Amino acid sequence: GAVVSQHPSRVICKSGTSVKIECRSLDFQATTMFWYRQFPKQSLMLMATSNEGSKATYEQGVEKDKFLINHASLTLSTLTVTSAHPEDSSFYICSALGPHAQPQHFGDGTRLSIL
Amino acid sequence: GENVGLHLPTLSVQEGDNSIINCAYSNSASDYFIWYKQESGKGPQFIIDIRSNMDKRQGQRVTVLLNKTVKHLSLQIAATQPGDSAVYFCAENPGGYNKLIFGAGTRLAVHP
Repeated sequence: GAVVSQHPSRVICKSGTSVKIECRSLDFQATTMFWYRQFPKQSLMLMATSNEGSKATYEQGVEKDKFLINHASLTLSTLTVTSAHPEDSSFYICSALGPHAQPQHFGDGTRLSIL
Repeated sequence: GENVGLHLPTLSVQEGDNSIINCAYSNSASDYFIWYKQESGKGPQFIIDIRSNMDKRQGQRVTVLLNKTVKHLSLQIAATQPGDSAVYFCAENPGGYNKLIFGAGTRLAVHP
């Protein structure tokens, strides 16, 4: 149980393109999801907390207009990287709080490469 | 722990030995701690967690120890296997918001 699916797993696109990443909880409802960013050989850095039906809470230094988060249902949160540039290339990972709160269950990430 | 470092520290062990991975956390108000295992190209996988009212918790082949006095967390893996090779992250919940702050991570390399 507590499976989180992320799609796509890999995206390669041109600079200036906007990219949408989906995070789904497959077998449970998740009122809270999280979005992380991970650079090679580094740890996960929390970008934002996504709550169903309300605005996301962004961590300090994360541009909310650059990284749009929508959590429209109890099983789906999306992250849109707007007008992506090469410096946005990274591994983006989502997680969801399970039915009993902790622990967070993670998706398998999306590798975003901006040319 | 802080998200710092351009490279991950590595712990190399022989297959069958016990492994101990250490983590220093930063917030004395943290009330929940968790260990994740991350294999290359995948998301973190839950291993074991512990609340601040405990100092030890055991799972299958794994034990987590918490020392709140010195803000230290450790993960012990018994009879380490090649399949245990991965990067291990500790994370803390700084209380009240369910979010997790991740440590820098340790790469575990298991040699046959």
